Amino acid sequence: AQSVAQPEDQVNVAEGNPLTVKCTYSVSGNPYLFWYVQYPNRGLQFLLKYITGDNLVKGSYGFEAEFNKSQTSFHLKKPSALVSDSALYFCAAPSGGYQKVTFGTGTKLQVIP
Amino acid sequence: GAGVSQSPSNKVTEKGKDVELRCDPISGHTALYWYRQSLGQGLEFLIYFQGNSAPDKSGLPSDRFSAERTGGSVSTLTIQRTQQEDSAVYLCASSLATVGRGTGELFFGEGSRLTVL
Repeated sequence: AQSVAQPEDQVNVAEGNPLTVKCTYSVSGNPYLFWYVQYPNRGLQFLLKYITGDNLVKGSYGFEAEFNKSQTSFHLKKPSALVSDSALYFCAAPSGGYQKVTFGTGTKLQVIP
Repeated sequence: GAGVSQSPSNKVTEKGKDVELRCDPISGHTALYWYRQSLGQGLEFLIYFQGNSAPDKSGLPSDRFSAERTGGSVSTLTIQRTQQEDSAVYLCASSLATVGRGTGELFFGEGSRLTVL
């Protein structure tokens, strides 16, 4: 089984600065990890996933995530934040025999102009 | 459209009434999920359907909640005798579950916002 945790409720970053949204995981076996984004009053959209292979995963809208096995982390990153990146970000992982997908508590990203 | 479709988008009901929320997944997606998102909160797993297997109902909060999926496609989430604490956005998602390689990415609908007065 897998679970994820997002230690920050909110992250504030200035436009143009790099951003990081944190996610840690606990897993028995190979981890499968996902990031989703939710813009205001919308459903969630898939950003990227880690299944196996390269530790740096590239996704939509210029986002990437770094899988770190020793730190059991899967932090979401972007080199230069845009105001339009302001949204709620969720880390997720399948559990229960890789069937049920559960989500972290979410991190609100606020990019300040 | 090709996405996940949910209806109604908004539902206002009185305490004690029953409500039905509908989800039409992407054609060919074998996995279907229901989640609940309360205002400003994270996603609470409710129920998961995979093909013809018995659904995983472990997230349903009480016996007032039930869901079915007919013909492996459309799903209905029913809440009986609604309570004010049931007010939330109910999100449906579908995916191509890839056996042996974990779950494929989920595609979400826009949600059904339920308000219980």
